[in-house]
Amino acid sequence: GENVEQHPSTLSVQEGDSAVIKCTYSDSASNYFPWYKQELGKGPQLIIDIRSNVGEKKDQRIAVTLNKTAKHFSLHITETQPEDSAVYFCAARDQAAGNKLTFGGGTRVLVKP
Amino acid sequence: DAGVIQSPRHEVTEMGQEVTLRCKPISGHNSLFWYRQTMMRGLELLIYFNNNVPIDDSGMPEDRFSAKMPNASFSTLKIQPSEPRDSAVYFCASTQRGQGVGSGNTIYFGEGSWLTVV
Repeated sequence: GENVEQHPSTLSVQEGDSAVIKCTYSDSASNYFPWYKQELGKGPQLIIDIRSNVGEKKDQRIAVTLNKTAKHFSLHITETQPEDSAVYFCAARDQAAGNKLTFGGGTRVLVKP
Repeated sequence: DAGVIQSPRHEVTEMGQEVTLRCKPISGHNSLFWYRQTMMRGLELLIYFNNNVPIDDSGMPEDRFSAKMPNASFSTLKIQPSEPRDSAVYFCASTQRGQGVGSGNTIYFGEGSWLTVV
């Protein structure tokens, strides 16, 4: 089955700096890669996703890149703000195998004002 | 849209008691998932349903765990008997399963049920 590794497990950045989180996956059949943000006491919320036919996608201060050959994808947050502090999860899915998402271990991001 | 609704939000129970967690998926969604989140193991998929039918229950840890989806708008996850190691946050999530490759649809999570077994 799919295995998703996520690094780092914790990340502390100064407000205004960039944050980068990296994930690798094992199943070359995976073709959909969402990123979720989880705030304290809440469920994970989708913030951005990318499909295997795209190499990069941006949404305001958030961008995701995908390298299918190397089987890794990354989340980039620019101009970080205190409200970006949360736990971020990457995930991978082989749509042909159903809707099952496999999650990475999570990255706790702290943005210091 | 009300989102995925879970109940109870918090439950504290004694070891050996039966626990039932409930979920109402987003109206119109036809796939439902139960995840468990712990510090040690992160987010683990326990079971998921398509059109009310269980598709993959390989993540269900033991026979003490069971899940049902009697109709498109309701699902339960039951633990009987409960044990302290079952303490975790249990999330229900749903999506509209797409047709064909490239139709990956957003999976929406509920706010979770925080279970403590003492």
